[in-house]
Amino acid sequence: DTAVSQTPKYLVTQMGNDKSIKCEQNLGHDTMYWYKQDSKKFLKIMFSYNNKELIINETVPNRFSPKSPDKAHLNLHINSLELGDSAVYFCASSPSSGSGYTQYFGPGTRLTVL
Amino acid sequence: TQLLEQSPQFLSIQEGENLTVYCNSSSVFSSLQWYRQEPGEGPVLLVTVVTGGEVKKLKRLTFQFGDARKDSSLHITAAQPGDTGLYLCGTDSWGKLQFGAGTQVVVTP
Repeated sequence: DTAVSQTPKYLVTQMGNDKSIKCEQNLGHDTMYWYKQDSKKFLKIMFSYNNKELIINETVPNRFSPKSPDKAHLNLHINSLELGDSAVYFCASSPSSGSGYTQYFGPGTRLTVL
Repeated sequence: TQLLEQSPQFLSIQEGENLTVYCNSSSVFSSLQWYRQEPGEGPVLLVTVVTGGEVKKLKRLTFQFGDARKDSSLHITAAQPGDTGLYLCGTDSWGKLQFGAGTQVVVTP
């Protein structure tokens, strides 16, 4: 069984479109995250939710809106896509928020904006 | 300026050779983590070093935390093609992982 899964694996879309990426974890964890990895492989945190509550919100354009319907799911909706949004987006989860908890990453969603 | 500076950016070696990658900062950390990311996958935690001067071994991988807790190194002995990947160091600040830019390691048979 996949611990942290993301759909879709690949997403190719035009500028200006709206798209969503879904993430699910079956580890029973309370905390989930979204990270963005750019073309230079630099990985940066975007958001974190703990038990459906937003706890980390980095400097991300408000075109990005995370939603957590329950603690096993964290989706990322992106409005008005721009070329610079092209990247690999990783979802992760950990048993709880705070330091010291191992984060388990999903396989990533490669978003290409044309 | 990034919090964590990794070097080298890229390393290509033959199977059986040794390699070392570095993670440096001007900041002091309570701990540092090392991850390996294989193509098409997310990062996987290899080790967390906590104590200054600490050395941890994971099979052929040796991790060291600097005495001043500002830097760390990862040494791979007798590298194998399966060691190919992006090696990331990171620091955990209340669940917010901050990463270096990574070292891409390619081990050719």
